[in-house]
Amino acid sequence: GAVVSQHPSRVICKSGTSVKIECRSLDFQATTMFWYRQFPKKSLMLMATSNEGSKATYEQGVEKDKFLINHASLTLSTLTVTSAHPEDSSFYICSASNPLTGSKEKLFFGSGTQLSVL
Amino acid sequence: DAKTTQPTSMDCAEGRAANLPCNHSTISGNEYVYWYRQIHSQGPQYIIHGLKNNETNEMASLIITEDRKSSTLILPHATLRDTAVYYCIVRVRDDKIIFGKGTRLHILP
Repeated sequence: GAVVSQHPSRVICKSGTSVKIECRSLDFQATTMFWYRQFPKKSLMLMATSNEGSKATYEQGVEKDKFLINHASLTLSTLTVTSAHPEDSSFYICSASNPLTGSKEKLFFGSGTQLSVL
Repeated sequence: DAKTTQPTSMDCAEGRAANLPCNHSTISGNEYVYWYRQIHSQGPQYIIHGLKNNETNEMASLIITEDRKSSTLILPHATLRDTAVYYCIVRVRDDKIIFGKGTRLHILP
């Protein structure tokens, strides 16, 4: 099946620093990728939709200057948490859409990144 | 805004069938019913999806009522590894996924 790789799986950083998370589609070209965040014992919350070659579309309440998304190629999208603070500590998950799966499922998820800001 | 309602949690004995219900009374004609699950600290895993007809794959069966207002995911022989949060989602096929709260399924030894 299709594979989406997310890196790093875990990161600890100091408050005020920026952290970049990568999401790669390994065996397909993803024109669209999605970014989610998840707090403990809560559901996944969609942050933004990332389209290759264009600006990301952010969900209401998500600060685009805080969470920078770049989708520069058909296999890579990055999420940068800028000037991270402890309240940004969360589990971040990406998903990628494979347009060539026919009637089968199109969306595949990465394994997530646990961000801890000290 | 999630368009589905699921029980918060359920228990099932190991080896028995786990039946997870989902209500989606406002589903539109072009929306599919999808099921995903999330094991602790991992990304969601696709299970199955359907439009009108019942579906079965190697993981589960999906039963959709004739009026499409509700569905049931069936795990035929639950194992401890099936302990997870199960999400029922309705969406147009190429659309983004909005997750609800899901059902926390505990498989009991």
